[in-house]
Amino acid sequence: ELKVEQNPLFLSMQEGKNYTIYCNYSTTSDRLYWYRQDPGKSLESLFVLLSNGAVKQEGRLMASLDTKARLSTLHITAAVHDLSATYFCAVGDSGNTPLVFGKGTRLSVIA
Amino acid sequence: DAMVIQNPRYQVTQFGKPVTLSCSQTLNHNVMYWYQQKSSQAPKLLFHYYDKDFNNEADTPDNFQSRRPNTSFCFLDIRSPGLGDAAMYLCATSIKWGSFRPRLVETQYFGPGTRLLVL
Repeated sequence: ELKVEQNPLFLSMQEGKNYTIYCNYSTTSDRLYWYRQDPGKSLESLFVLLSNGAVKQEGRLMASLDTKARLSTLHITAAVHDLSATYFCAVGDSGNTPLVFGKGTRLSVIA
Repeated sequence: DAMVIQNPRYQVTQFGKPVTLSCSQTLNHNVMYWYQQKSSQAPKLLFHYYDKDFNNEADTPDNFQSRRPNTSFCFLDIRSPGLGDAAMYLCATSIKWGSFRPRLVETQYFGPGTRLLVL
């Protein structure tokens, strides 16, 4: 059974600082997704990572995938208040089964 | 713009009174999902349709049913809502390729959600 763990679950960071959110998963997978959710809103797709070593960047967010370590990271550079949200990673196994979501990381960027 | 639409955005129902939530999509995706998300938790998959094939998660209560009359529409029926069913219900869609495809790309596109309140 595929399990997905994110850490930290809560993150309070100062504006301008850098930090990394980690997503570990338990079985072989070559597709991993990062989503953002604002309070009371739906999920917005941020990144799709499909191969070992994949790296994608959008603004202050950069996501990477290491399939050998079964680990994805979401790196935040020079955080700004607008990045405050909950970030979910979701992983699919090698069969065509639905994605499994991590518990999410609630990020709060403070001045 | 192609999108996933959910109606209503907010639904208030009484304990035990059946309620139906709807989802429509203009993406022409062959897979549609229903998730339940409670406060500060990850989305929990209830079931999904791959075309007309219905796939129920093992721990989805019998109280929850779904219908997909065509590619564009999918409904979530809660037959007898309890207080514990109050949550955000998210519909999502994706494309699932057949087995001849070498790689599955399954980005899920989420609707805005329906927030259900049970009194």
